[in-house]
Amino acid sequence: GAVVSQHPSWVICKSGTSVKIECRSLDFQATTMFWYRQFPKQSLMLMATSNEGSKATYEQGVEKDKFLINHASLTLSTLTVTSAHPEDSSFYICSARAGLAPYNEQFFGPGTRLTVL
Amino acid sequence: QQQVKQSPQSLIVQKGGISIINCAYENTAFDYFPWYQQFPGKGPALLIAIRPDVSEKKEGRFTISFNKSAKQFSLHIMDSQPGDSATYFCAASISGNTPLVFGKGTRLSVIA
Repeated sequence: GAVVSQHPSWVICKSGTSVKIECRSLDFQATTMFWYRQFPKQSLMLMATSNEGSKATYEQGVEKDKFLINHASLTLSTLTVTSAHPEDSSFYICSARAGLAPYNEQFFGPGTRLTVL
Repeated sequence: QQQVKQSPQSLIVQKGGISIINCAYENTAFDYFPWYQQFPGKGPALLIAIRPDVSEKKEGRFTISFNKSAKQFSLHIMDSQPGDSATYFCAASISGNTPLVFGKGTRLSVIA
């Protein structure tokens, strides 16, 4: 149980285009999903917290107009990187909080490697 | 300001040995302390987690030791195997919908 999937697993795009990444909780309902980015050999950096049916909360320094997050259902959240540039190339990982667990147990997706040319 | 400090940055252990990774936190409101294992190109996988009402938790070869007064917790991997070679992250959070705060990670290499 507690499986989180991401699609696509990798994507290459041209500078200036937009890319959408999907995050799904396959066997549980996720009221909250989190989006992270990770640069090589570095830790995970939280980008935003996404609650189903409401606007995402972005971390300081993360451009909300560039990284659009939508959490339309209890099993799906999407991250759209708009007008992507080479500096947006990174490993994007989502996580989902397991339902009503009293503690903040989170399960991570396999990540999406974005390369912007 | 980093709220969870993790050490060492990298660790090399002989097969069969004990791997020990340490973390220290600052926020006394933290009440959930998980460890994640990450292989290259993959997302982190929850390994084991502890709450502050216990001082130790063991699952198979993995043990978390927790020292509330020192605000420290550690991961011990007994009988380390080459397949354990990965990056390990400690994290902490406050129960509820708050995000996890991650340490910077430890790259473990288990050599035969």
